[in-house]
Amino acid sequence: DAEITQSPRHKITETGRQVTLACHQTWNHNNMFWYRQDLGHGLRLIHYSYGVQDTNKGEVSDGYSVSRSNTEDLPLTLESAASSQTSVYFCASSEMNRAETQYFGPGTRLLVL
Amino acid sequence: GENVEQHPSTLSVQEGDSAVIKCTYSDSASNYFPWYKQELGKRPQLIIDIRSNVGEKKDQRIAVTLNKTAKHFSLHITETQPEDSAVYFCAADNTDKLIFGTGTRLQVFP
Repeated sequence: DAEITQSPRHKITETGRQVTLACHQTWNHNNMFWYRQDLGHGLRLIHYSYGVQDTNKGEVSDGYSVSRSNTEDLPLTLESAASSQTSVYFCASSEMNRAETQYFGPGTRLLVL
Repeated sequence: GENVEQHPSTLSVQEGDSAVIKCTYSDSASNYFPWYKQELGKRPQLIIDIRSNVGEKKDQRIAVTLNKTAKHFSLHITETQPEDSAVYFCAADNTDKLIFGTGTRLQVFP
């Protein structure tokens, strides 16, 4: 069955280290999104992509980057991890160019010490 | 850009009662309004959505209403059950992405 996966599911790192979170979907969806979820803030958009080689900044993009080299993957990189980036990160994908149902991955819980 | 406000932030109801969660949005160009349910430790999952050409949509015990003039939409859950306990998020589309509300924690007490 088609699905969306994230790895790792849990990560502990130290401040200043570079961290990459993986997101992989097998639906062949054009659109992929990265969110962070923090208590009291809901789901906030970090970066998103509408296709290969396309990336866009969301509302909380500082300190994060993404690249889209194929349809299936959108890795999220924290260039120099900060304690403020401790959060739960969700990847999502959707099929069409217009906003449609987004399907979420299982999430990655990141702790930056 | 789009801004979505969601109320209340927490909601406690007795099993069998109804629950209503309300959201307002700012961009009159928004046309798609999904609702997601997130159980503890799980991923958000779509439970119902509505588009701007429809005023109401029902799926068993859940319904969503949309008032485009007032720019607000609501989730209604009837005959609540303990398994309805979760965090619920509304969202509105903004160009080709979704803007989410801050969530409502619903607790259903037996």
